[in-house]
Amino acid sequence: QKEVEQNSGPLSVPEGAIASLNCTYSDRGSQSFFWYRQYSGKSPELIMFIYSNGDKEDGRFTAQLNKASQYVSLLIRDSQPSDSATYLCAVTGTGFQKLVFGTGTRLLVSP
Amino acid sequence: GAGVSQTPSNKVTEKGKYVELRCDPISGHTALYWYRQSLGQGPEFLIYFQGTGAADDSGLPNDRFFAVRPEGSVSTLKIQRTERGDSAVYLCASSSNEGDTQYFGPGTRLTVL
Repeated sequence: QKEVEQNSGPLSVPEGAIASLNCTYSDRGSQSFFWYRQYSGKSPELIMFIYSNGDKEDGRFTAQLNKASQYVSLLIRDSQPSDSATYLCAVTGTGFQKLVFGTGTRLLVSP
Repeated sequence: GAGVSQTPSNKVTEKGKYVELRCDPISGHTALYWYRQSLGQGPEFLIYFQGTGAADDSGLPNDRFFAVRPEGSVSTLKIQRTERGDSAVYLCASSSNEGDTQYFGPGTRLTVL
């Protein structure tokens, strides 16, 4: 079992729709949860982080964390073609140090 | 301010050669991380420095890989006797302290022929 699992996609949504990206993790001791966006040929760029159960909103992005279910998600409202990228879920363990990444979900937003 | 920088951006080498990849973290960041990303995969942890010391090198695949950070700032990842399987994008990240958000550099694309 992989430590962090994501559906590789692609997830296709029309412009203006809500994109929902999901991630599960296996280590119950995981403490911090991150979403990075990666455009093709570029390095990961931090979108959001979340530490506590519940929702965290930042502009068009909402991260949701459920530690009991070991599940974290990212919602993108009013999706734009410029949101088309690979979204990487990453978690840190009790040491708060290394990030463990999923393989990423490719999002395609069509005009 | 300036972000994490990495040089070179691209490196092509032949099997068996030695390579060095450099990372310049964000000024003042004490924690520095190296990751490797293969095509279609997420970044994979290699090594983490807190200051000058390697706090966790559990991700280094074998003893051909070595990294240093002698003055607690710039870090160099060194790969001896390169193999074709070492071809990947090598990413460096830094954070202001351990546990804080990691910011990634642009990466070095290593190709071993």
